[in-house]
Order: sequence, then structure tokens, then C-alpha cells
Amino acid sequence: AQKITQTQPGMFVQEKEAVTLDCTYDTSDQSYGLFWYKQPSSGEMIFLIYQGSYDEQNATEGRYSLNFQKARKSANLVISASQLGDSAMYFCAMREGQISGTYKYIFGTGTRLKVLA
Amino acid sequence: ETGVTQTPRHLVMGMTNKKSLKCEQHLGHNAMYWYKQSAKKPLELMFVYNFKEQTENNSVPSRFSPECPNSSHLFLHLHTLQPEDSALYLCASSQVGTASTKLFFGSGTQLSVL
Repeated sequence: AQKITQTQPGMFVQEKEAVTLDCTYDTSDQSYGLFWYKQPSSGEMIFLIYQGSYDEQNATEGRYSLNFQKARKSANLVISASQLGDSAMYFCAMREGQISGTYKYIFGTGTRLKVLA
Repeated sequence: ETGVTQTPRHLVMGMTNKKSLKCEQHLGHNAMYWYKQSAKKPLELMFVYNFKEQTENNSVPSRFSPECPNSSHLFLHLHTLQPEDSALYLCASSQVGTASTKLFFGSGTQLSVL
């Protein structure tokens, strides 16, 4: 069965430093997508970055980059130059194959990131 | 105005009550989702609707009853809930058709069952 694993329940990082949040996945599909979301204390899930399974280059979005290692089935999120506002829960997610034209998305347990001043 | 709006933000109910959660998306999407988020657990997919048709019911107890009258609105009707149903309920929408399509979430309804 498809699965997302985030092994870091909590992480600390000093302001302005870079941090890597780990994510491994398990799927037998050839075509899939990987996502990272941020959830601040307000509760809303905010999309950060997307990586397709056929994309040859790692995705980047501003200070966010995704370190995609297909053979290892890992999709780690790298946040550069951390800011206090980056303190939040971070979820890795995977899009499974279509069901009746609709994708299913499964999520990991999340990593709580605290940025220290 | 956010793309996906959920009401109410907070709900406290007794086990014998009947209540409904509402979700509305203003993004023109054609798929809508209900997720349950409990502490220290992955988000659990509950229901998926595509063009108002339910395409997924992830073994959810019948005390949760979804309704999707059109592509913009999604409801979750609740009755005779249990304390373990206390959680954050998140609604999301997406546009079916492209591989990179992502979920857009509402702010959730924090439900407490007494």
C-alpha cells in the first residue's frame, strides 16, 4: 500500500540557517506526485512545493527546494534562510493514481518545525 | 476571501446532537474532499467527490454523512458521534485533469464531542 513516512516529529533550527525535513514514500505506481504543505497554528494547510515522478530536476519555489531521490524514494524539503514565520507543522503528501478521474492524496504524520531567534 | 471556506471554525457537540459542517470553494474546482486530522496521526481521507459524484468512501462510519449538492459546496452531516471523533476536519478542493494539480484547503472545523 502507498505510504508516506516522516521520521522527525520535531525539529529546531536557528533563524537564517537552512533546515531539511525528511520524507520517504512507498508506491508501486510509476506516475505519482509529491507535495509539501505547511500548517501554521491557524490550521489552514498551505501548499509549498510539488515534484512529479518524471521530473528530472529538483523542484524549487523561493526559499523551498525539494531534494528528490527517486531510487531511494525520498523527497526531502529544504528550507533555506529560515525565518521565524516558518515555525509550523510540515506535511509531506503523495498523489496516488486516479480513481474515477479523481486523485487521492495521502499524508505523512508531519514534522513540527520551530525556528529560534 | 480565501479560496476554500469552512464553517463553523469551532464546534462543540454532545453525542446525541446532530450538526453539519459546511465547505464552499470559490476556485471553480470540480473535486472536493473531506479529511480528518487527529493528533499525531496522518491526515485521514474520508470522502472524495468528483463533479458531485462520490468516488471514495474510506470506510467511514455511517454517523458521518457527506452531501455534495454541486461542485462548489460540500457538507458533512454528523449524528450520534463518539468522543474519539473529536478532531480537526479539513475540506479541500482540486481541479481534476492535470498531474500537478494540488489540494487547496480550508482552515478546518475543530470539532469537540463531549
